[in-house]
Amino acid sequence: GENVEQHPSTLSVQEGDSAVIKCTYSDSASNYFPWYKQELGKRPQLIIDIRSNVGEKKDQRIAVTLNKTAKHFSLHITETQPEDSAVYFCAAVNAGGTSYGKLTFGQGTILTVHP
Amino acid sequence: NAGVTQTPKFRILKIGQSMTLQCAQDMNHNYMYWYRQDPGMGLKLIYYSVGAGITDKGEVPNGYNVSRSTTEDFPLRLELAAPSQTSVYFCASSSDRPTQQYFGPGTRLTVT
Repeated sequence: GENVEQHPSTLSVQEGDSAVIKCTYSDSASNYFPWYKQELGKRPQLIIDIRSNVGEKKDQRIAVTLNKTAKHFSLHITETQPEDSAVYFCAAVNAGGTSYGKLTFGQGTILTVHP
Repeated sequence: NAGVTQTPKFRILKIGQSMTLQCAQDMNHNYMYWYRQDPGMGLKLIYYSVGAGITDKGEVPNGYNVSRSTTEDFPLRLELAAPSQTSVYFCASSSDRPTQQYFGPGTRLTVT
C-alpha cells in the first residue's frame, strides 16, 4: 500500500517568512495529492490540492509543487501570518484504482508563526 | 447545507461499555469515511463506505463496526470500549474519487 512521509514534524518561522513542508510517497500510481490544515481543536480542511498531470499549483500565498519522478510534493506558504499557525497534513491516493478515495496521510507538521 | 455533522461532541466511556458515534451528511455524497486521530498524530482510516449497503475495512478496524443503510448516515459502533480507543473520531465524505473530503467537527472520546 501507499506510504507517505512528511517533514519536518515541527516548523517555527517569523511572521513574513516563508514555510516549506515536504512529503514523499511510495506508490507511483498515486495521482492526487491534497493538503489539509487543522487548527487546534478543529476539523481538517482542504487548503490546496494537485493532480499528477500538473507540476505546480498556486492559490494566493499557498503553492504546491509535485515531482513525480522523485515521488515528492511540497507545500509552500509565503508571507506567513500568525493565523497560518496550525497542523498541516499531506495526503496521497491513486484516483483511478480501487482505492475509493482512501487517502494515506502524512504524520503532520506543526507550523508556528511568531509575530 | 449543514455539511457533515457528528454527535456527540464529547463522550466519556467506562471500559467495556459500548456506544455509537453518529455521522450524517446532506451533500448526497456516495463516499464516507471514519478516521481516528490520536493526540499529536495523523489520521488513520477505520472504515469506509462507497455507497449505501457497502462498507469495508480501513487501516485500523479492530474494535469497531459500521453500517450504511442510507446515503446520508454512516454510524460507527464501538463494542467493549478499551483505553486504546481514547481518541478524536472524524467522519468525512466526498462525492467521487478523488475529490475533496469534507470532515465533520469530530467526537472526542475518552475511555477510562
